[in-house]
Parts: sequence; structure tokens; C-alpha cells
Amino acid sequence: DTAVSQTPKYLVTQMGNDKSIKCEQNLGHDTMYWYKQDSKKFLKIMFSYNNKELIINETVPNRFSPKSPDKAHLNLHINSLELGDSAVYFCASSHPAGDFTGELFFGEGSRLTVL
Amino acid sequence: AQSVTQLDSQVPVFEEAPVELRCNYSSSVSVYLFWYVQYPNQGLQLLLKYLSGSTLVKGINGFEAEFNKSQTSFHLRKPSVHISDTAEYFCALKKGAQKLVFGQGTRLTINP
Repeated sequence: DTAVSQTPKYLVTQMGNDKSIKCEQNLGHDTMYWYKQDSKKFLKIMFSYNNKELIINETVPNRFSPKSPDKAHLNLHINSLELGDSAVYFCASSHPAGDFTGELFFGEGSRLTVL
Repeated sequence: AQSVTQLDSQVPVFEEAPVELRCNYSSSVSVYLFWYVQYPNQGLQLLLKYLSGSTLVKGINGFEAEFNKSQTSFHLRKPSVHISDTAEYFCALKKGAQKLVFGQGTRLTINP
């Protein structure tokens, strides 16, 4: 039983298209995240939701829009894709702020390639 | 500003040799520090963490790390590596209530 699952695992698309990545966790955590890992393996937080409420919104173009329908799901929609959006996007979950000791549970990643 | 720096982008070692992956941090407040491992085509998973107390922390798969406040370091060590330890290793620091800041990663390659 996968704890944090993302779909799709691979996504190849043309510049200008719109695409979505979905994430679900069955760990009962209240907090979920999107991280972006670039081609040099650098990992940077994009967004975080706690119980459906946005709590972290880093400097990310507004073409990226997260959505959390419930605390077990966090989706990422990207409009007007650009070449620089090519990366691996990781979903993660954790306990909420009061209980957060730094352990994140990551999905396997969604590799987005923009042509 | 709080940050972590991994001093080596790649570390090649022979199987059964010891290894040390270096991490230095910058912070003006108390730190929580972590090492995560990313095996090929997988997400990251926690190896070990330092929150407080003993400066020597032990993690999974025989890894350990030592928190050194005077040198602002948190180096990861293993006395004898295996082929299966080939992976990318990330040092991280907790920033604020809910955020982890990751280092640039160190690729550990084990040669037979």
C-alpha cells in the first residue's frame, strides 16, 4: 500500500499546454507539499497545505496553481507550460506544524518534460 | 539566513570502504538537521535526524551523523559501504514551523 502516490509518473508535453499532477496520501497527515527538483537535483519547496489551507507559497509563477480538495489530496495544475518547467515534481506529506519534527514522506515523483 | 551547504557534489568509494559526506549549516537559531537519501528513480526518505540531545545520531542502514555546533557541521558517515548505498544524499535544515531547506545533494557512487 503506497503511502504517498503521485500520478502520472511521467509526463511529456509541448510548450504552451496545460497539465495536472495528482497526489494522494493515506498516512492520515494534515500537511502536504509540492517540491520541485531540477536537473541538477536541487530540491525546492513550492507550496504547502495544512488541512486544505495554503500555508506556504514560495516565489512560484502564478501559472502554477495547487488545489487541495481534502487533506489527503493535493493536486498541481500548470498553465502555459514553458521549457524551464521541465523537472521532477515531488509530493510529500507530514504531521502539522505543532508536531512537525522534519520528517517528510515523499512520493516517487512525477517527471515533467516540456518540449 | 538559514541554509545548508554540501561540500561535495560527488563521492566515489570502493565497496566496504568507509565514507563521509560533508554538510555545513548556517543558522543564528537552534537547528534541527536531517539527512535524506534518494535512490534512483525514487522519492526521498529520511535517514536520520538531529533535534536535540546526543550529538551522535544513528539512522537506518548503518549510517550515523555527528552534530558539531562549533564547526556548524553535520557530517554523515558509514564505516563500510555496500553497492546498495549508491544514491543521492541530501542534508536538510528545518526552517520555520513547516519548511525544510535542502542542500545541493551529494551523489555517492560505490565501486566494486
